[in-house]
Amino acid sequence: AQSVTQLGSHVSVSEGALVLLRCNYSSSVPPYLFWYVQYPNQGLQLLLKYTSAATLVKGINGFEAEFKKSETSFHLTKPSAHMSDAAEYFCAVSDPRGSQGNLIFGKGTKLSVKP
Amino acid sequence: EAGVTQFPSHSVIEKGQTVTLRCDPISGHDNLYWYRRVMGKEIKFLLHFVKESKQDESGMPNNRFLAERTGGTYSTLKVQPAELEDSGVYFCASSQGGTGINYGYTFGSGTRLTVV
Repeated sequence: AQSVTQLGSHVSVSEGALVLLRCNYSSSVPPYLFWYVQYPNQGLQLLLKYTSAATLVKGINGFEAEFKKSETSFHLTKPSAHMSDAAEYFCAVSDPRGSQGNLIFGKGTKLSVKP
Repeated sequence: EAGVTQFPSHSVIEKGQTVTLRCDPISGHDNLYWYRRVMGKEIKFLLHFVKESKQDESGMPNNRFLAERTGGTYSTLKVQPAELEDSGVYFCASSQGGTGINYGYTFGSGTRLTVV
């Protein structure tokens, strides 16, 4: 069965510092991988996705993630944090063989950005 | 293009009562999904509609939950009778064509349900 582990339920960085949010997955086949962000009082917004093309995926708002099959990881990074990046981030995985298209989510990581 | 709309945004009900959540997907999106996040836990899949048909309802927790999508447009999720453990945020998502994976889902803002 597929699963997603996000290390750290809370991460705090200073404005301008590197953002690194960790995600590891378990899957018997190379999966599709996603990062979503939820800003306060809003829905889940897709940041970026990996669907077996380039392993380095660029998303919105300056975020990117690298698929590393050998490490079963899909960590999210941003070189310089902005105050507006404070939100909760979710990593998710799906089985590309499946017909249902449902996602399996990690528990989420809340990112705080200090001035 | 209007996004995925969910209402109510918040609902507080007493144990034993009935609540109906509604989701209006993006117009033309055949796929509609319901997810739920119980406090402190993962967002979990509940079910998937393709048009008006239930493609996968393997995530529905029990028979107190009933989802419908009459006419293949909006969907409702009814909880009857509600229990304390049903509290959480219920998300709806929609996607066009295929299974949505390559197109990406669009999520609504969610309905926060509190059962007291």
